[in-house]
Amino acid sequence: AQSVAQPEDQVNVAEGNPLTVKCTYSVSGNPYLFWYVQYPNRGLQFLLKYITGDNLVKGSYGFEAEFNKSQTSFHLKKPSALVSDSALYFCAVTGFQKLVFGTGTRLLVSP
Amino acid sequence: DAGVIQSPRHEVTEMGQEVTLRCKPISGHDYLFWYRQTMMRGLELLIYFNNNVPIDDSGMPEDRFSAKMPNASFSTLKIQPSEPRDSAVYFCASSLGSGGKYRGETQYFGPGTRLLVL
Repeated sequence: AQSVAQPEDQVNVAEGNPLTVKCTYSVSGNPYLFWYVQYPNRGLQFLLKYITGDNLVKGSYGFEAEFNKSQTSFHLKKPSALVSDSALYFCAVTGFQKLVFGTGTRLLVSP
Repeated sequence: DAGVIQSPRHEVTEMGQEVTLRCKPISGHDYLFWYRQTMMRGLELLIYFNNNVPIDDSGMPEDRFSAKMPNASFSTLKIQPSEPRDSAVYFCASSLGSGGKYRGETQYFGPGTRLLVL
């Protein structure tokens, strides 16, 4: 069965510093990996996805994610955090037909 | 493109009442998903449709929950009778394909319906 793990419930970072939100996955076959962001009282918004090709995927709002097959990871990164990046971030992997989500990581960016 | 549309955005009802949540997927998308989000259980897939046909309803918690998709542009999730433990945010999402060769397709989420059952 496909699964993703987000080992950190919360990540704290100061504005202007780089941020990383971790995700590891387990899947049979080639992984199809996604990151979504959820702002308070909003739906999930798609950030980026990895299907194939370059291991570094660029997405919305300056976010990027690095696919590492040997470590089965797909960490979300941003070179310089903004206070407005504070939100709940979900990693997800596509199973046979379903999208399987992680438990989410809350990112808090302090001024 | 208006995105996925859900109504109502907020619903407060009393235990035992019937609740109907509505969703309009993105035009042209052939998959529609219903999710529930709670603090305790996170994001759960309840049911999904392909071309208006329910494919997997294994996530539907009880017989009190039912979902329909009478046409490509409309779906409902009904809870009858509602209970306080049904209080959650319910999301609808749609995608152009899912699984198999469409595993890389993105699901787009609506803004959600926040349900409170008193």
